[in-house]
Amino acid sequence: KQEVTQIPAALSVPEGENLVLNCSFTDSAIYNLQWFRQDPGKGLTSLLLIQSSQREQTSGRLNASLDKSSGRSTLYIAASQPGDSATYLCAVRDSNYQLIWGAGTKLIIKP
Amino acid sequence: DAGVTQSPTHLIKTRGQHVTLRCSPISGHKSVSWYQQVLGQGPQFIFQYYEKEERGRGNFPDRFSARQFPNYSSELNVNALLLGDSALYLCASSSPTALGGYTFGSGTRLTVV
Repeated sequence: KQEVTQIPAALSVPEGENLVLNCSFTDSAIYNLQWFRQDPGKGLTSLLLIQSSQREQTSGRLNASLDKSSGRSTLYIAASQPGDSATYLCAVRDSNYQLIWGAGTKLIIKP
Repeated sequence: DAGVTQSPTHLIKTRGQHVTLRCSPISGHKSVSWYQQVLGQGPQFIFQYYEKEERGRGNFPDRFSARQFPNYSSELNVNALLLGDSALYLCASSSPTALGGYTFGSGTRLTVV
């Protein structure tokens, strides 16, 4: 059974710092991995989608990597801003077309 | 292009009642999935429909049911509501291939009192 873990559960850093969020999964048989952002009480906004054959994807200040063999993905945020404060979730898509989710990392960027 | 739309945005129901949540996918997407998110946790898979057929079901009781219409919109029904059904219900649409990512709606916040 696929399990997804996100570490740390919460992170608070000063504005301007670069930071890394981690996501690990137990079964490497995934189709893709997707990173999402969720603001309090809101829905999910897709940030980056990495196919199982890819190593990384970039969008603006965000870079996501995928190492399927080790069951790991990282989300790198450069030059963090207060507006980046949110909960970040990763999800893997399995062979049954389901998304299996981590519990998220709550990120606070201090001005 | 319109994104995934869900209605209503908020709902308050009493224990034992029935609720229907609605979702319209992105134009061209034929697959709709439903997720339940309890506060402080990641979403949990409830159902996926593709071309009006159920393609997957998560570990939820039979009180939960869903269907997909010819225009690919979907309804999630929950009968005999319990306090524990209070959650954010999220709908996602995706392309039918394994390569497609998911796009989520803003969710329906259900409170059972």
